[in-house]
Amino acid sequence: GAGVSQSPRYKVAKRGQDVALRCDPISGHVSLFWYQQALGQGPEFLTYFQNEAQLDKSGLPSDRFFAERPEGSVSTLKIQRTQQEDSAVYLCASSFLQALNTEAFFGQGTRLTVV
Amino acid sequence: ILNVEQSPQSLHVQEGDSTNFTCSFPSSNFYALHWYRWETAKSPEALFVMTLNGDEKKKGRISATLNTKEGYSYLYIKGSQPEDSATYLCAFTGNQFYFGTGTSLTVIP
Repeated sequence: GAGVSQSPRYKVAKRGQDVALRCDPISGHVSLFWYQQALGQGPEFLTYFQNEAQLDKSGLPSDRFFAERPEGSVSTLKIQRTQQEDSAVYLCASSFLQALNTEAFFGQGTRLTVV
Repeated sequence: ILNVEQSPQSLHVQEGDSTNFTCSFPSSNFYALHWYRWETAKSPEALFVMTLNGDEKKKGRISATLNTKEGYSYLYIKGSQPEDSATYLCAFTGNQFYFGTGTSLTVIP
């Protein structure tokens, strides 16, 4: 398809388990963002890539969170030793240009539940 | 942390009513203001991107205005329909997207 694709759509992890969430942005999109949306909250910024460079990771809540985009296209968000507070919807968005005055296109999100 | 506030948090209107909601954002270091429509189990869908003070944008029955000097944007829906039921998110951009918590709209047939 032509949109942003995220997988898996749903993930249930046992506390302490590592998880990897994948984002396939729209082909040719330079910018890629990860957001975390907890229940009842708006999406909160996690990290931002411009091509393969991770320009901002200030939103990653702890060193258990790691994101990469090694070839400037697909990105993976990895969460190590998951905790219950990691339960949220993880949204990925991509944008064609570097500038943030163009629209971003979102995936459907991965809903992570840590039990 | 930049504070983007949306009000009201939720809204129930009758089919055919017109409605509006607000997004407040910092008036300094403004770059752009985005509105997204997010239906349950779907991706957020971009409605408008506005960059200039006084911008007004329209898409069908939905329109938006922007005041960058005082830091607010209004989203208007004329003649609400049940298919308009969704969460409407605004996002302020400086060096990243800063989202509000959204306004959840339910249109009652």
